Amino acid sequence: KQEVTQIPAALSVPEGENLVLNCSFTDSAIYNLQWFRQDPGKGLTSLLLIQSSQREQTSGRLNASLDKSSGRSTLYIAASQPGDSATYLCAVTRDNYGQNFVFGPGTRLSVLP
Amino acid sequence: NAGVTQTPKFRVLKTGQSMTLLCAQDMNHEYMYWYRQDPGMGLRLIHYSVGEGTTAKGEVPDGYNVSRLKKQNFLLGLESAAPSQTSVYFCASSVGGVGQFFGPGTRLTVL
Repeated sequence: KQEVTQIPAALSVPEGENLVLNCSFTDSAIYNLQWFRQDPGKGLTSLLLIQSSQREQTSGRLNASLDKSSGRSTLYIAASQPGDSATYLCAVTRDNYGQNFVFGPGTRLSVLP
Repeated sequence: NAGVTQTPKFRVLKTGQSMTLLCAQDMNHEYMYWYRQDPGMGLRLIHYSVGEGTTAKGEVPDGYNVSRLKKQNFLLGLESAAPSQTSVYFCASSVGGVGQFFGPGTRLTVL
């Protein structure tokens, strides 16, 4: 059974710092990996989707990498801002149908002004 | 486009009452999902649908039923609510499983 873990569970950094969030999964046979952001009391917003054949994806200040063989993904946030404060979740799926999406517990990020 | 919408946003039920949560999407997505999110448990899949008229069980289906009579709607029903069903419920949709779009959630409390 696929298990997804995220380290750290919580992170507090000063504004302007670059940071890395980690996601690990036990079964490397994934189809894609997706990073989400969740603000308190809100739904999930998709940030980046990495197909299993890709190594990384970039969007603005965000860069996500994928190493299938080691079962790891990292989300790099450059020049963090207070508006980046949220919980970040990663999720993996092993096929093209989505029903096997497995989510990690999330990392709660606080960026202090 | 409204994306994925959920009705209602909040609801309080008494044990044994029934209710239906409505999810609607205007993106013409084939796949739709219902999740629950609990502290310390993360997001868990309740039921999903790969197309109009089809439904299937996810990880935690007991106590819930679903229907997908129209492509754009996915209903989640609780026939006899229990306190263990107190949670935040999220609906999501996707095209071919490539990336999911989530609704804003429904916060349900069962007393």
